[in-house]
Amino acid sequence: GESVGLHLPTLSVQEGDNSIINCAYSNSASDYFIWYKQESGKGPQFIIDIRSNMDKRQGQRVTVLLNKTVKHLSLQIAATQPGDSAVYFCAENQAGTALIFGKGTTLSVSS
Amino acid sequence: DAGITQSPRHKVTETGTPVTLRCHQTENHRYMYWYRQDPGHGLRLIHYSYGVKDTDKGEVSDGYSVSRSKTEDFLLTLESATSSQTSVYFCAITPGLRDYGYTFGSGTRLTVV
Repeated sequence: GESVGLHLPTLSVQEGDNSIINCAYSNSASDYFIWYKQESGKGPQFIIDIRSNMDKRQGQRVTVLLNKTVKHLSLQIAATQPGDSAVYFCAENQAGTALIFGKGTTLSVSS
Repeated sequence: DAGITQSPRHKVTETGTPVTLRCHQTENHRYMYWYRQDPGHGLRLIHYSYGVKDTDKGEVSDGYSVSRSKTEDFLLTLESATSSQTSVYFCAITPGLRDYGYTFGSGTRLTVV
C-alpha cells in the first residue's frame, strides 16, 4: 500500500491567495522529503526538499513544513498564480531507497 | 527535460507484442529509474539501476524487464504487452541515493490495444 498520501485530491484557490497542500507519511524512518510539481503532459519537476533534521525550509514563494511528531508534510505557496495550477506530489526517501510518491493533489487557480 | 530524454513519446501497440522504451541521459548520473503513472495510483516504481548492468526490481516489476549496458541508456521492455500496461512511463535520474531529488523525463504514453 501507499506509505505517502495526500489529504485532499483537489484544491481550488483564487489568484493571489496562499495555498497549502498537505501530505501524510507513515514511515518514521523516512529522512528526506521532496515536493514535485507536474504540469499536464510533462514529467514531475522538483520544487523543494527538506531533510528530517529540519522543520521548515523556504524557497521562492514556497515553504515546506515538516512535523515528524505526526508525520505530516505541507507545501505552502504564497500569492498563488495561474501558472501554479498543476498536480503536486510529495515523495519520501527511506534511508537511501527509491523515492516513494503520494497520489497527488490537483491545484486549480482561478483568476 | 534538460539532460534526460525518453523515446518514443507516444506509442500504440497490440496485446502480446514486445515493446521497448528508451531513457537516455547526458548527466552521467549513476542511478536511473522507471516509474509508471496511473490515475489513482500516483507514480509507482517498476525497476531501477544503480550502475551499468546493475538493476533491481521495484514495486510493480511483473511483466517488465530492464537493461543498462552503458551509463547513459536505460531500457524498459514489456515482454508481452497487456492492456493493464497501458500507462504513462517516466524515467528519472539522480546522482546519489541520499538527499538528492530526481530529474524526470517527459514521459512515454503507451497504449496497449
